[in-house]
Amino acid sequence: NAGVTQTPKFQVLKTGQSMTLQCAQDMNHEYMSWYRQDPGMGLRLIHYSVGAGITDQGEVPNGYNVSRSTTEDFPLRLLSAAPSQTSVYFCASSYSPGRSSYNEQFFGPGTRLTVL
Amino acid sequence: GIQVEQSPPDLILQEGANSTLRCNFSDSVNNLQWFHQNPWGQLINLFYIPSGTKQNGRLSATTVATERYSLLYISSSQTTDSGVYFCAVVRTSGSRLTFGEGTQLTVNP
Repeated sequence: NAGVTQTPKFQVLKTGQSMTLQCAQDMNHEYMSWYRQDPGMGLRLIHYSVGAGITDQGEVPNGYNVSRSTTEDFPLRLLSAAPSQTSVYFCASSYSPGRSSYNEQFFGPGTRLTVL
Repeated sequence: GIQVEQSPPDLILQEGANSTLRCNFSDSVNNLQWFHQNPWGQLINLFYIPSGTKQNGRLSATTVATERYSLLYISSSQTTDSGVYFCAVVRTSGSRLTFGEGTQLTVNP
């Protein structure tokens, strides 16, 4: 199993550009989520999904869109990048907390994004 | 939302020393995880421990769910233990993993 994979590892954008961060998992997990980590801080939840076709907002959703057309993939879209979105982005997956008593979350390696 | 507090925020040790990191949370949980973020930024799962005690080599963890705290023990620390240790929880009947601010551990040779 590859676990949770993320691409790209690094990205530099100019203000106003758009891009999609890719996330995939091969563990048949229903629950997937995106976090951002700013320097010296813990991770904050951006968006999450409890299954294909279902997404919801987390703590800091503004400026980001998500969709979940398959169980395996959960891309994060930046519509118009801003310097405030400079951060490290992590994707995670687990069995659904609502369906399984075992819901350990596994994280991808992260994408380091810089917006100039 | 649920509050997660970790202590101490910073810890400096000499190689070989033991340490205890604490995580307090403000509501009942059905998931508690400890992570190590290494200097390269990788998040490594240490323990999935919503209750009880687990051990893995030099590391062990205990969660007392009824008193809303968890402890991570590191024995005979090594320089490779350096990094940030995060506690994260999911509130019972919720789905969101909420992180604490972390403990920055530095182990000097």
